[in-house]
Amino acid sequence: AQTVTQSQPEMSVQEAETVTLSCTYDTSESDYYLFWYKQPPSRQMILVIRQEAYKQQNATENRFSVNFQKAAKSFSLKISDSQLGDAAMYFCAYRRDTGNQFYFGTGTSLTVIP
Amino acid sequence: GAGVSQSPSNKVTEKGKDVELRCDPISGHTALYWYRQSLGQGLEFLIYFQGNSAPDKSGLPSDRFSAERTGESVSTLTIQRTQQEDSAVYLCASSLDLLSGGAYNEQFFGPGTRLTVL
Repeated sequence: AQTVTQSQPEMSVQEAETVTLSCTYDTSESDYYLFWYKQPPSRQMILVIRQEAYKQQNATENRFSVNFQKAAKSFSLKISDSQLGDAAMYFCAYRRDTGNQFYFGTGTSLTVIP
Repeated sequence: GAGVSQSPSNKVTEKGKDVELRCDPISGHTALYWYRQSLGQGLEFLIYFQGNSAPDKSGLPSDRFSAERTGESVSTLTIQRTQQEDSAVYLCASSLDLLSGGAYNEQFFGPGTRLTVL
């Protein structure tokens, strides 16, 4: 079974600084997809960034980037120039290549300090 | 187009009562998922519908929980004889099927229903 682990229940970052959220996963498959979702206090889950396992290049979306280490089964999220609006719960998720079901980590609560 | 909607936004009920939670997926999305998020916890998978296939009910925590979906439209999650431990946010998500959704086929989430069982 696939499991996704987020070992940091809480993180904080100073506004304008950079923070990295960690995520590891367990799988025996070679092709899969990884995602980071953001859940602000409004509860609305929003997709932040995504990565295909067979792509070696790390995905980037503006201030958000990932460090994908396939051999280590690691998928960390880096937020640069942190803004107050980045404060939220962040979930890492895994999807198999051949299935629609997602597997989510337990989340990391990010606080941005003004 | 409209996103995933859920109703009610909040529901307070008494222990032992039945509740129904509703999810309207994005039009054209054949896949629909229900998750439970307890306070400070991650997303617990409950059930997954994919088109006309038999739903994957492997995440339902007890026989008090059931869900229905008519075709590719609205889904209702029913909790019978609610218990205090059922208090949580119930999230619904939808996505296209694998053939039409592209490589990533991400899930789109609704705002959730916060259920409080007194």
